[in-house]
Amino acid sequence: DADVTQTPRNRITKTGKRIMLECSQTKGHDRMYWYRQDPGLGLRLIYYSFDVKDINKGEISDGYSVSRQAQAKFSLSLESAIPNQTALYFCATGRSGRGIGTGELFFGEGSRLTVL
Amino acid sequence: SQQGEEDPQALSIQEGENATMNCSYKTSINNLQWYRQNSGRGLVHLILIRSNEREKHSGRLRVTLDTSKKSSSLLITASRAADTASYFCATDEGGSQGNLIFGKGTKLSVKP
Repeated sequence: DADVTQTPRNRITKTGKRIMLECSQTKGHDRMYWYRQDPGLGLRLIYYSFDVKDINKGEISDGYSVSRQAQAKFSLSLESAIPNQTALYFCATGRSGRGIGTGELFFGEGSRLTVL
Repeated sequence: SQQGEEDPQALSIQEGENATMNCSYKTSINNLQWYRQNSGRGLVHLILIRSNEREKHSGRLRVTLDTSKKSSSLLITASRAADTASYFCATDEGGSQGNLIFGKGTKLSVKP
């Protein structure tokens, strides 16, 4: 079983619909992240969480919200999806404070979202 | 805004050749990491180099870091067709709470 699991893996929806992407991890990591990947733009950080009570906006948080329901679960919501939110979304996890800054991140396989 | 910028954007080589990818960044960092992504899949961590290190090796991978030039390079020696993937550098900005900022990636194609 994958250590970082994202659901759904693929989703097609219409403009204006509410969408939730879910992420769960079995690695016991405290830090969780949501990134978005667009062709030619690399990965951009949407939101990140260092523990259940700590949620932070990333570079491109507008139009998105998140919920850290438990240490192992971090969900991303699009309240009213729009076509330019069509992208590949990645959840990632990592450990905190090991003296070298942010350490290795472990990624899920991605959720491909298409907004028509 | 993105911190790391990889160069070249795309690289095509023959099996057995070496592949070199470069990454430039803008601010001070705690560390720099390289990741690999097979088409449409999740990213996989390759190697991390701390800001006080200059070179690091892992198998056929060699990473260098020049903090004075704010640049890093990833060398893959004796490349194989299975090395075909996109490669991303990611920087941990010094003083931040711990965000990894990714570049746009280099797409490597290794031809048999």
